[in-house]
Amino acid sequence: DAGVIQSPRHEVTEMGQEVTLRCKPISGHNSLFWYRQTMMRGLELLIYFNNNVPIDDSGMPEDRFSAKMPNASFSTLKIQPSEPRDSAVYFCASSLVSGVGDTQYFGPGTRLTVL
Amino acid sequence: AQSVTQLDSHVSVSEGTPVLLRCNYSSSYSPSLFWYVQHPNKGLQLLLKYTSAATLVKGINGFEAEFKKSETSFHLTKPSAHMSDAAEYFCVVNTNRDDKIIFGKGTRLHILP
Repeated sequence: DAGVIQSPRHEVTEMGQEVTLRCKPISGHNSLFWYRQTMMRGLELLIYFNNNVPIDDSGMPEDRFSAKMPNASFSTLKIQPSEPRDSAVYFCASSLVSGVGDTQYFGPGTRLTVL
Repeated sequence: AQSVTQLDSHVSVSEGTPVLLRCNYSSSYSPSLFWYVQHPNKGLQLLLKYTSAATLVKGINGFEAEFKKSETSFHLTKPSAHMSDAAEYFCVVNTNRDDKIIFGKGTRLHILP
């Protein structure tokens, strides 16, 4: 298996622009997670899905952030409009068992820079 | 409320010497505990996990951790450090009750030649 796939690997954009990050989980996995990593705040869980349904989005910073999972093999995290403070590495992870208690397999991350 | 504290933000050891990365947790319920490793510019990878079976858990690359309920600790150890162990390590707790997962702030391990 190719593992969790994220695209793009790097994104540089200007403040106010829309940004869309993409994730393909491992085939057969039932949960998908979006994380943000910064030096100041460490690793934060933004949202996770079980069987394509959003379960906990309490970590989503504000309404500018939205996430969707239209099917079992694809998810997006959108930021609109983007701000410089959104600059971070965004990770997607998936797990076989539903919920947060199982081993998570992380993608390589998307490094976002908002100028 | 649950929490996890990694007591050291940086640890330096010489190659071939033991490694100890400390983690304390707080949980109202019986937790699941994990250690993940992150090499530079990479995603996180599971080292090992505790899920209420044996208290001494063996993981990949020679790492192991011991769950001590009385001390609320889950320290990560390795008998002999290798240069390839240089990375950031995260202790993670899940209470199995409220479906929340908390990551520690991370400990960066430096290996001295």
